[in-house]
Amino acid sequence: EDQVTQSPEALRLQEGESSSLNCSYTVSGLRGLFWYRQDPGKGPEFLFTLYSAGEEKEKERLKATLTKKESFLHITAPKPEDSATYLCAVLEGKLIFGQGTTLQVKP
Amino acid sequence: DGGITQSPKYLFRKEGQNVTLSCEQNLNHDAMYWYRQDPGQGLRLIYYSQIVNDFQKGDIAEGYSVSREKKESFPLTVTSAQKNPTAFYLCASSIPGNQPQHFGDGTRLSIL
Repeated sequence: EDQVTQSPEALRLQEGESSSLNCSYTVSGLRGLFWYRQDPGKGPEFLFTLYSAGEEKEKERLKATLTKKESFLHITAPKPEDSATYLCAVLEGKLIFGQGTTLQVKP
Repeated sequence: DGGITQSPKYLFRKEGQNVTLSCEQNLNHDAMYWYRQDPGQGLRLIYYSQIVNDFQKGDIAEGYSVSREKKESFPLTVTSAQKNPTAFYLCASSIPGNQPQHFGDGTRLSIL
């Protein structure tokens, strides 16, 4: 069965403390991997698309990377406004979502 | 600004009642989707539509119905047959191909 697993489920960081979120997947024909940010009571906001192993995308303090079996979302020197749930989704026919990582950044 | 509008933001359903959630997009996207989000679970696909007047069941379609009479609109009806309707419902749209889906801000449905 195709699966997308995100870890950790929750992450607490101090402002400025860099870290990474993991998204591992087991699908046979990856057509794309997407990262989203979701704030409480809101819909997911699109961040990045990655299509092939070795690809990297950056936006402000966020950098997404992709290998054949997993993707990382690196957060460099996070700020409190980066606090949110980060969702990973894999496209293989349909979009398969992970359960998300809830990030809290304390000042 | 282009985007996806979901209404209402909050909705309450009585026993035996059908309720309809609205989703409108002005992004000129052909494809539209409905997801359900429950605490601790990933988004689950209810229904999707790739073109007007056509739609397909997703993973959890039982107890739900949809229509796609206009490109801009994809309403979801939660019927009385859905025994556990309390959830956060998200509508999304996309262009064809391996492109990202863009989401509205959701409707939270609760039972009275």
